[in-house]
Amino acid sequence: DTGVSQNPRHKITKRGQNVTFRCDPISEHNRLYWYRQTLGQGPEFLTYFQNEAQLEKSRLLSDRFSAERPKGSFSTLEIQRTEQGDSAMYLCASSPWVAEPYNEQFFGPGTRLTVL
Amino acid sequence: DQQVKQNSPSLSVQEGRISILNCDYTNSMFDYFLWYKKYPAEGPTFLISISSIKDKNEDGRFTVFLNKSAKHLSLHIVPSQPGDSAVYFCAASAGAQGGSEKLVFGKGTKLTVNP
Repeated sequence: DTGVSQNPRHKITKRGQNVTFRCDPISEHNRLYWYRQTLGQGPEFLTYFQNEAQLEKSRLLSDRFSAERPKGSFSTLEIQRTEQGDSAMYLCASSPWVAEPYNEQFFGPGTRLTVL
Repeated sequence: DQQVKQNSPSLSVQEGRISILNCDYTNSMFDYFLWYKKYPAEGPTFLISISSIKDKNEDGRFTVFLNKSAKHLSLHIVPSQPGDSAVYFCAASAGAQGGSEKLVFGKGTKLTVNP
């Protein structure tokens, strides 16, 4: 399978704990995105990398959230001191760089986080 | 503020008929529009896209129409099949003009195709 993969698929944690999610993009895709989706809503943008550089962050990404893509391949999203409001599906997407900016993004299956 | 709006939470059609899903946007900087399909417990799957320099794009049973003056786009599925039953998300990007690669999504429309 050469699609976007995310691990774990499900995570249940207690309020106040730290969690980390991993995303492996499609090979050779240099753009990687994180989104969050809550019930009844569409995905909401969190942050975006081109290679290892984090180019854009949403206001949704509070100080408790940090994302990295150290070698321009896989990425991690860490949430510190989780709150019940962090419960959501966390989606990762990737896209290739081509000369034109019109690139569709390919999504992974997501990591569902439940904070008790 | 909801920059991309899908005002119909659900739509039900008969197999073989046309499904029309609608989407409105408010940000005039958007220049690229996409439709995604999502099944439960899966990530969104790319379906079809259109850039703002076009008013129509067709791919098999799927056609997307863009009306820039009305800031409206629609997805037509003809003929509809039971396997098309899913949640459909409209998304927009301001990449070329706005310098942002992020996608802005609507809340989705749940399509049910009845056999």
